[in-house]
Amino acid sequence: EADIYQTPRYLVIGTGKKITLECSQTMGHDKMYWYQQDPGMELHLIHYSYGVNSTEKGDLSSESTVSRIRTEHFPLTLESARPSHTSQYLCASSAHRWGFYEQYFGPGTRLTVT
Amino acid sequence: AQSVTQPDIHITVSEGASLELRCNYSYGATPYLFWYVQSPGQGLQLLLKYFSGDTLVQGIKGFEAEFKRSQSSFNLRKPSVHWSDAAEYFCAVGGAGGGADGLTFGKGTHLIIQP
Repeated sequence: EADIYQTPRYLVIGTGKKITLECSQTMGHDKMYWYQQDPGMELHLIHYSYGVNSTEKGDLSSESTVSRIRTEHFPLTLESARPSHTSQYLCASSAHRWGFYEQYFGPGTRLTVT
Repeated sequence: AQSVTQPDIHITVSEGASLELRCNYSYGATPYLFWYVQSPGQGLQLLLKYFSGDTLVQGIKGFEAEFKRSQSSFNLRKPSVHWSDAAEYFCAVGGAGGGADGLTFGKGTHLIIQP
């Protein structure tokens, strides 16, 4: 089972601030993902990566950006937070660049923008 | 486009009773199907998965699911629920047919356990 860590777990921040949500995994997984989950709703894919220097946008449009400089690290950044960004953000990873494998999720970051 | 429908938003079950959570999917190719559980304030934990082979799959915590291609369903079952099973359950579909290889989730079923 993958070990995926997300920090912070909870974040309350004012409008206009720049924030970075951290995600790290220790299993050497190639693929990583960011999902957004509004309260009581399903998860929507906002970003994914096949490996180092690979980043792609997901199904749900998002103003956030991501980077993948190291295999184990996949941070998400919001340059200027807005109340509409209030949500839970879940990071996931899966083994191997090619093929389809199950995804393992981190505990999530609950973001509130005031 | 792929989609997942979980028709029951809430289900209430007495402790010790059996459980079935419904999931229907729409997918153009052979689907990879998953059930995840989410406890309050937590991430998602994988309960079980179906990729191919035996259509009845066993998972963790005593859960099982049956893939029925003719009905496009992947229902989750447990013969006897425990109070600790109270949580949100998500069905998801994915596969090589999607460009992102990301998962498409249903809206979830909230399971309430009555003592």
